[in-house]
Amino acid sequence: DTGVSQDPRHKITKRGQNVTFRCDPISEHNRLYWYRQTLGQGPEFLTYFQNEAQLEKSRLLSDRFSAERPKGSFSTLEIQRTEQGDSAMYLCASSDTGPAGYGYTFGSGTRLTVV
Amino acid sequence: RKEVEQDPGPFNVPEGATVAFNCTYSNSASQSFFWYRQDCRKEPKLLMSVYSSGNEDGRFTAQLNRASQYISLLIRDSKLSDSATYLCVVNPGTGRRALTFGSGTRLQVQP
Repeated sequence: DTGVSQDPRHKITKRGQNVTFRCDPISEHNRLYWYRQTLGQGPEFLTYFQNEAQLEKSRLLSDRFSAERPKGSFSTLEIQRTEQGDSAMYLCASSDTGPAGYGYTFGSGTRLTVV
Repeated sequence: RKEVEQDPGPFNVPEGATVAFNCTYSNSASQSFFWYRQDCRKEPKLLMSVYSSGNEDGRFTAQLNRASQYISLLIRDSKLSDSATYLCVVNPGTGRRALTFGSGTRLQVQP
């Protein structure tokens, strides 16, 4: 386990369809984060898990978005009824129990295109 | 007003030049500060943490001014491989774990 893995790397979907992305963090990391990045912008925070508990959620995480980390290991991010504005790179990151902000490792991301 | 603001650039500099980026943040309670580097269509990667006393890592020097709420990054002797987007990143503190990213400053080092 050398890094954060995300699957799929690319996803093209029709507007209105549901999509689910998976993130496998570094195995010894108990913190997991989801971010979204659109072209020309920095990543925007969506949500944060410590083990299986979802401790922070951004206002960006509308009711069409849901994230889970059922066993405190991998996480899934589901988007229901996708809209064209959901097109973005979805980045997952993990960190260990160090101070806030430190020790982040990002995955390569899932690029979503809604057509 | 954005929480973290950066000049988007692009900064076009010749190899060997010294270039400096600044960034301002709005939340005075922010606790930790970082510069990340992001190559085109890749994930962000930590370049360096930023400390109040200033810190250096090879050709890179970062400074934090808490009173003025700005962060800087200086790159000396620019290399072609330094071409990337540099993201200013802040942890807002108050128990939050999330990072707030600026929109990034694009650097293009030319031969």
